[in-house]
Amino acid sequence: NAGVTQTPKFRVLKTGQSMTLLCAQDMNHEYMYWYRQDPGMGLRLIHYSVGEGTTAKGEVPDGYNVSRLKKQNFLLGLESAAPSQTSVYFCASRINVAEPRFFGPGTRLTVL
Amino acid sequence: AQSVTQLDSQVPVFEEAPVELRCNYSSSVSVYLFWYVQYPNQGLQLLLKYLSGSTLVKGINGFEAEFNKSQTSFHLRKPSVHISDTAEYFCAVSVASRDDKIIFGKGTRLHILP
Repeated sequence: NAGVTQTPKFRVLKTGQSMTLLCAQDMNHEYMYWYRQDPGMGLRLIHYSVGEGTTAKGEVPDGYNVSRLKKQNFLLGLESAAPSQTSVYFCASRINVAEPRFFGPGTRLTVL
Repeated sequence: AQSVTQLDSQVPVFEEAPVELRCNYSSSVSVYLFWYVQYPNQGLQLLLKYLSGSTLVKGINGFEAEFNKSQTSFHLRKPSVHISDTAEYFCAVSVASRDDKIIFGKGTRLHILP
């Protein structure tokens, strides 16, 4: 049982490039989330999903897209990266609203 | 809307001394409250949670927190800290009946001094 895994761990992009971050969980969780963490800002919700095939916007969705084609995977896409998207990205999942979130180890993204 | 305030961005404490990390929240409805810990270069992990019932909640690693509705606080305490407690601690709040969205505080970095 690997829990929540994130790929890649680190990435450096140039402004305007695109990329996809992958979050995978093997716990059969319904709910999955993408957060970004910036110094002094805590965690802010980007997008989330309450089940396979569903997605919804969080607090800071602009510049990001997501997909949940399979229950175990939640992809976060940046179509045209900007320096303001330099951050550490965390994925989380949970089985239902009564249970706590499990977090992945994070992806550190730098946009030059 | 809900909000959460962690009053201290950094707290230095000597090893084996007690510590209290402060958290205040605001909400017009009933809330769930959480403390998460983030060790260096790792994701967040749940320390403890308050959903209902007893206002004193015990978590992992010897931490506990007390829900105080009149003061809208949920301070985290440990009677004796260790070097291994060096981490960032996040308080979080969500609406009791709808836990889809959780609001995190900005975090408190706990420095353990030898």
